Amino acid sequence: DADVTQTPRNRITKTGKRIMLECSQTKGHDRMYWYRQDPGLGLRLIYYSFDVKDINKGEISDGYSVSRQAQAKFSLSLESAIPNQTALYFCATSDPDRFNEQFFGPGTRLTVL
Amino acid sequence: QKEVEQDPGPLSVPEGAIVSLNCTYSNSAFQYFMWYRQYSRKGPELLMYTYSSGNKEDGRFTAQVDKSSKYISLFIRDSQPSDSATYLCAMSVGDYKLSFGAGTTVTVRA
Repeated sequence: DADVTQTPRNRITKTGKRIMLECSQTKGHDRMYWYRQDPGLGLRLIYYSFDVKDINKGEISDGYSVSRQAQAKFSLSLESAIPNQTALYFCATSDPDRFNEQFFGPGTRLTVL
Repeated sequence: QKEVEQDPGPLSVPEGAIVSLNCTYSNSAFQYFMWYRQYSRKGPELLMYTYSSGNKEDGRFTAQVDKSSKYISLFIRDSQPSDSATYLCAMSVGDYKLSFGAGTTVTVRA
């Protein structure tokens, strides 16, 4: 079974809709991250969480919000989706003592029309 | 200017060739240098990690870091079709924040 799972894997939505992407992990890591990947831009950090009560903005948090429901669950929401939020979204986890190794989920391909 | 620059390729080589990938960076505070491999429709996975300058070898893979030139490389010897993937360099000053390159797509032809 996958250690980091994401749902849905693919989603097409319309401008202005609210959408939630979900992430679950069985690695037992406290640290969780949300990234987006765009061609030519690489992975960019949206939000990160060091534990359930510690949530922080990354470099591109505008237009996004997150919720850490439990150690194992970290959700990303787009309150009012816009076309330039079309991207591949990844959730990741890490052990605080091994920050260099982040474990990524399979990704969610989001298209905003 | 991006903090980490990586040529996106694509790069196509015959099986058995040496693949050479590289990244340059501008932040002299980076101390940790990683290479992640990403197969199609999958998330990235850590391939190799190097601290500070020097070389590190792991099987067919060699990572090199030249901090004086702000330049890192990954070499894949005796490349195999299973090495076909996107390779992402990543760097850190020593905390949670990883700065990623855009990734280079490699195809190894059988």
